[in-house]
Amino acid sequence: QKEVEQNSGPLSVPEGAIASLNCTYSDRVSQSFFWYRQYSGKSPELIMSIYSNGDKEDGRFTAQLNKASQYVSLLIRDSQPSDSATYLCAVNMPPYTGNQFYFGTGTSLTVIP
Amino acid sequence: DAGITQSPRHKVTETGTPVTLRCHQTENHRYMYWYRQDPGHGLRLIHYSYGVKDTDKGEVSDGYSVSRSKTEDFLLTLESATSSQTSVYFCAISGGARWAYEQYFGPGTRLTVT
Repeated sequence: QKEVEQNSGPLSVPEGAIASLNCTYSDRVSQSFFWYRQYSGKSPELIMSIYSNGDKEDGRFTAQLNKASQYVSLLIRDSQPSDSATYLCAVNMPPYTGNQFYFGTGTSLTVIP
Repeated sequence: DAGITQSPRHKVTETGTPVTLRCHQTENHRYMYWYRQDPGHGLRLIHYSYGVKDTDKGEVSDGYSVSRSKTEDFLLTLESATSSQTSVYFCAISGGARWAYEQYFGPGTRLTVT
């Protein structure tokens, strides 16, 4: 059973604060990890990908991966009201398993002005 | 939307009728996927394709079939629509030449079965 778990929230942070989103996964074969942002009524948008242990920064976003603990997180610095959305964690299996992706149910984030 | 289109974008149909949703990509990605998204369930994989005429079932494939006769097109057919298939359907692609492991989504199709 391949599972990706996220806290559903809702998570509320004031504008300018750091938002921390967490995700755990069950399958040690997982190789690639992704964060998507989904605005209400829209499709998921890829915002971060991470493949190796450690931190990866892109603008105000930092993804953190710890394969030993099977844990991936997303930090959003200087949160803005436009960051209010649902954030989906996704895990990718190797191509020999069909290159399948497994998604968490998402964490709803609200940034309060 | 990374060169992915879905048609129709909205559809209302009656129980028992067949419905076909189309996904078209201009990115020449190898893999294509159909998901449905429902409140409380997140994104669930229906079927996926790993090449022309090569498809496989996902987590929630009952009542759905797919076909891929060209690299750029992936069709999802609801053979006899039921109210439980009311959902938002997303097509996705991955396996591009540059970022092979990233997956990109189309704009979605909102399907209502009455």
